[in-house]
Amino acid sequence: GENVEQHPSTLSVQEGDSAVIKCTYSDSASNYFPWYKQELGKRPQLIIDIRSNVGEKKDQRIAVTLNKTAKHFSLHITETQPEDSAVYFCAARRSNNNDMRFGAGTRLTVKP
Amino acid sequence: EPEVTQTPSHQVTQMGQEVILRCVPISNHLYFYWYRQILGQKVEFLVSFYNNEISEKSEIFDDQFSVERPDGSNFTLKIRSTKLEDSAMYFCASSFSGGINEKLFFGSGTQLSVL
Repeated sequence: GENVEQHPSTLSVQEGDSAVIKCTYSDSASNYFPWYKQELGKRPQLIIDIRSNVGEKKDQRIAVTLNKTAKHFSLHITETQPEDSAVYFCAARRSNNNDMRFGAGTRLTVKP
Repeated sequence: EPEVTQTPSHQVTQMGQEVILRCVPISNHLYFYWYRQILGQKVEFLVSFYNNEISEKSEIFDDQFSVERPDGSNFTLKIRSTKLEDSAMYFCASSFSGGINEKLFFGSGTQLSVL
């Protein structure tokens, strides 16, 4: 089955700096890669996703890049703000498979 | 914006007791899921449900677990005889399809504590 590794487990940045979180996956058939943001005690919320036919996707301050050859994908947050502080999870899934596998999460802290 | 709703938000039970966690998926969604998250750990897939039957389940989803869609709106997870290690946050999720539009929408979770 799919195995998703996520790094780093914790990340602390100064407000205004960029943050990068990286994930690798094992199943070359995976073709859907979402990122979820989970604030303390709340539900995971989808913030951005990318499909395997695209190498990069951007939504305002958030971008995701995908390297299918290397089987890794990354989340980039620019101009970080304190409200970006949360745990971020990457995930991977095949389109014919309902078992979405999550990474272990990255606790991002943005210091004002 | 439509949301997945879950009840109760917290459930405390004694080891060996049965619990039922309830979810109301988004109304036009067809695929339903249960995930769990042990404190401080990753979100783990338990089961997916489509067309009134389980479509996939993980190794965590053993014979102690069952799911049901008893009516047109509710989706439940039953744990027959709870164990201490079942203590976790249980998230229900739904999606419109299982194919290309696979965005999952999560409920706010039920915190299960087994004593």
